[in-house]
Amino acid sequence: EAQVTQNPRYLITVTGKKLTVTCSQNMNHEYMSWYRQDPGLGLRQIYYSMNVEVTDKGDVPEGYKVSRKEKRNFPLILESPSPNQTSLYFCASSLYEADEQYFGPGTRLTVT
Amino acid sequence: GIQVEQSPPDLILQEGANSTLRCNFSDSVNNLQWFHQNPWGQLINLFYIPSGTKQNGRLSATTVATERYSLLYISSSQTTDSGVYFCAVEVNNNDMRFGAGTRLTVKP
Repeated sequence: EAQVTQNPRYLITVTGKKLTVTCSQNMNHEYMSWYRQDPGLGLRQIYYSMNVEVTDKGDVPEGYKVSRKEKRNFPLILESPSPNQTSLYFCASSLYEADEQYFGPGTRLTVT
Repeated sequence: GIQVEQSPPDLILQEGANSTLRCNFSDSVNNLQWFHQNPWGQLINLFYIPSGTKQNGRLSATTVATERYSLLYISSSQTTDSGVYFCAVEVNNNDMRFGAGTRLTVKP
């Protein structure tokens, strides 16, 4: 089944404790991206990647890192999480950048 | 940057009613998608529709790119249609911009 998977789905952590949210797609898509969703602000793009080893900042990249060492995986890294990063995070992929996007199930992160 | 406006912000329907959701955008876009976020937070891809009309069951969408708007039609609404509907557009720098969404509540 073609899908985008994210793990974990739920995470509660403390300020400053490094964490990684994994994202994987099995559709051989070149383009992947991360979004966060916050009440009143909608969905905003954090980082995107047009291909392996090619990543770029979206709207709100501060406090996040990404890597794209393999086509299928695009992990989101929070080196030192802070409470303002409490949010619902979505990973998405598409065959190319200007193409239909498919979203993962979301990761609800709480930083205390 | 590009502005994406959705209307109405909230919509309450009785089961069986029809509705039209609108998405206006302020500049030319490479693509446009409609998503449904269900009450559990899951984002579901409804339509990829940079132009023209598409239909999928009770849902259909039309994008008039030259006039910078898109419409999502929901016919014979069901309680499972409840949630938030987002329009998202892609601009030239590979950035996707989302509208604020329309929150739909379908009552039995």
